Amino acid sequence: GAVVSQHPSWVICKSGTSVKIECRSLDFQATTMFWYRQFPKQSLMLMATSNEGSKATYEQGVEKDKFLINHASLTLSTLTVTSAHPEDSSFYICSARSPLAGRVSEQYFGPGTRLTVT
Amino acid sequence: GNSVTQMEGPVTLSEEAFLTINCTYTATGYPSLFWYVQYPGEGLQLLLKATKADDKGSNKGFEATYRKETTSFHLEKGSVQVSDSAVYFCALSEESSGSARQLTFGSGTQLTVLP
Repeated sequence: GAVVSQHPSWVICKSGTSVKIECRSLDFQATTMFWYRQFPKQSLMLMATSNEGSKATYEQGVEKDKFLINHASLTLSTLTVTSAHPEDSSFYICSARSPLAGRVSEQYFGPGTRLTVT
Repeated sequence: GNSVTQMEGPVTLSEEAFLTINCTYTATGYPSLFWYVQYPGEGLQLLLKATKADDKGSNKGFEATYRKETTSFHLEKGSVQVSDSAVYFCALSEESSGSARQLTFGSGTQLTVLP
């Protein structure tokens, strides 16, 4: 099946620094990738939708300048948390959509990245 | 807007017990419904799906039926195994104004099956 990887799987950074998280589709091309945030015992909350070669579409309440998303190729999207603060500590999950004509296209999820800001 | 309400966990069962995890939804149109499973240390995996009313999704002994009249998509399995221990997410997808179909998730239900 389709595999999506994320790197790193966990990261600890100091307040005020920036952190980049990579999401890769390993065996398929993903025209669309999604970034989610998950708090303990809560739903996955969609942060933004990333289309290859164009600007990401952010959900209401998500700061574009704080969460920079780049989808430079059909297999790679990156999320950069700029000037991180402790309240940004969370579990970040990406998914990639495989466009299959005539079917409800599925999303394939990465394993997630645990970010802790100290 | 769309929303998914899922049975709160954690749920602890003995092996071979019957499982039900309730899921109800609110949507403006006619969504597709999904159950995803997340095993420890892994990403979410699609377990089953249904795209229209009265459809039944099934996989690995799990079943869920799309009930439009009750706006529900309850997950069931007749006999759980220890290997079914995981977090289960109910989700819906509705065509948006753009081309991407966004998923709305429930809060997840932790299932632990004891030997």
